[in-house]
Amino acid sequence: KNEVEQSPQNLTAQEGEFITINCSYSVGISALHWLQQHPGGGIVSLFMLSSGKKKHGRLIATINIQEKHSSLHITASHPRDSAVYICAVGGRTSGTYKYIFGTGTRLKVLA
Amino acid sequence: EPEVTQTPSHQVTQMGQEVILRCVPISNHLYFYWYRQILGQKVEFLVSFYNNEISEKSEIFDDQFSVERPDGSNFTLKIRSTKLEDSAMYFCARGRGGLEQYFGPGTRLTVT
Repeated sequence: KNEVEQSPQNLTAQEGEFITINCSYSVGISALHWLQQHPGGGIVSLFMLSSGKKKHGRLIATINIQEKHSSLHITASHPRDSAVYICAVGGRTSGTYKYIFGTGTRLKVLA
Repeated sequence: EPEVTQTPSHQVTQMGQEVILRCVPISNHLYFYWYRQILGQKVEFLVSFYNNEISEKSEIFDDQFSVERPDGSNFTLKIRSTKLEDSAMYFCARGRGGLEQYFGPGTRLTVT
C-alpha cells in the first residue's frame, strides 16, 4: 500500500466547475505540500500546511491531521489549471526532513 | 518565494557517460535535496545535503551518484556512468532545514 494516496488519478472538468482533489496518507507527518506540475515537467509549490486551511486566489487547501487527509480545491476552474497536482507529505527521519510523494492527479479543464 | 534554478533544463547523454546536473543556490539556504521522477512515476527522494555533507540518502542513491558544492556555490548531482534507467526528471530543492522546501524547475535527463 502506498504511503500517500491521491484520488482521483485523472479528472476532466468543464471550465467554471469546482474541483476537489484528495490526499490520504498513512505516515506521521509534520507538514503536507501541494505541488503543481506542468506538462513540461516543472514543479511549482502551491501550499505547505500543517493544520487547518490555506487560501490563495482560487485555490484552497485543507488538512485534517487526525484523519490523515488533505484536500485541494479549485474554484471557478480554468483551462490553464490543467496540470498534474501532487500531494507530498513531509516529516523528519534520521535527522532530515524529506517528502514522500503521491502519484499525482492529472487534471484537464475543458473550455 | 525564492527562485530555484537548475541547469541544464534538458540533457541528452549516451549510456556510460558521466553527467553533472547543477542547482543554483540561494545564499541563506543551507539544506539541499535532490529528487527524481521517472516518466509516469511519482517523485522520489534521492539525497539531502547539509554543511557539505550528505545527511540522508535513499536506496536509489547508490555508488554511481554523488553530490557536492564544489566551490561553495552551485550544488551538483553527478551520475558517473549513466544507465538507460537513469532517464528521468531530476529536481533540486533548497531550504533552511525544515519542511519549507523550494523546488527547482527540474532537469530532464535522457540517456540513449
